[in-house]
Amino acid sequence: KAGVTQTPRYLIKTRGQQVTLSCSPISGHRSVSWYQQTPGQGLQFLFEYFSETQRNKGNFPGRFSGRQFSNSRSEMNVSTLELGDSALYLCASSLGPDQETQYFGPGTRLLVL
Amino acid sequence: KNQVEQSPQSLIILEGKNCTLQCNYTVSPFSNLRWYKQDTGRGPVSLTIMTFSENTKSNGRYTATLDADTKQSSLHITASQLSDSASYICVVIDDTSYGKLTFGQGTILTVHP
Repeated sequence: KAGVTQTPRYLIKTRGQQVTLSCSPISGHRSVSWYQQTPGQGLQFLFEYFSETQRNKGNFPGRFSGRQFSNSRSEMNVSTLELGDSALYLCASSLGPDQETQYFGPGTRLLVL
Repeated sequence: KNQVEQSPQSLIILEGKNCTLQCNYTVSPFSNLRWYKQDTGRGPVSLTIMTFSENTKSNGRYTATLDADTKQSSLHITASQLSDSASYICVVIDDTSYGKLTFGQGTILTVHP
């Protein structure tokens, strides 16, 4: 069974631009969560989607948004990029919102210049 | 404010030796605590998940303990191997809304031959 896949793996953008990251969960998984990882802040929760609905949201500004499609694939969008948005963005999937085990993808490394 | 603190920040041990990583948390109400292993350049991988009623849980050479009264957890690694070199992250989930995870900053473990 294929694992969680994220595209692109690496991305370079400039300040003010916007970016869309994609996550394909493990087949059969309906819950997708997004996280931001930086050396200074560590891992931080962005939001969780289940059955195309956002269930939870972390403490990030409105520039960060996401959505989930009927096939459970999810996208995350960051508008008006800032230098501080440079980070590793991780996606994790699980069977459902109350499933114990989340499986993480390899992440998308975003660099904002 | 919910917090998760891990110690030490980094640790160097020789191959074959044992080590213990610590995690203290203030998250309340508590749902479950997870330990993840993250290799450089890869997404985190779940090692153990423990609920309030569980004191110990093992996964191969990894054994996690939980004291919900003192809000402390430890991850013990026995007979360390070079492949154990990674960042170990403690994550605590509160019971108010599933999906809101509080992450520790991680312990970077380096195993030398």
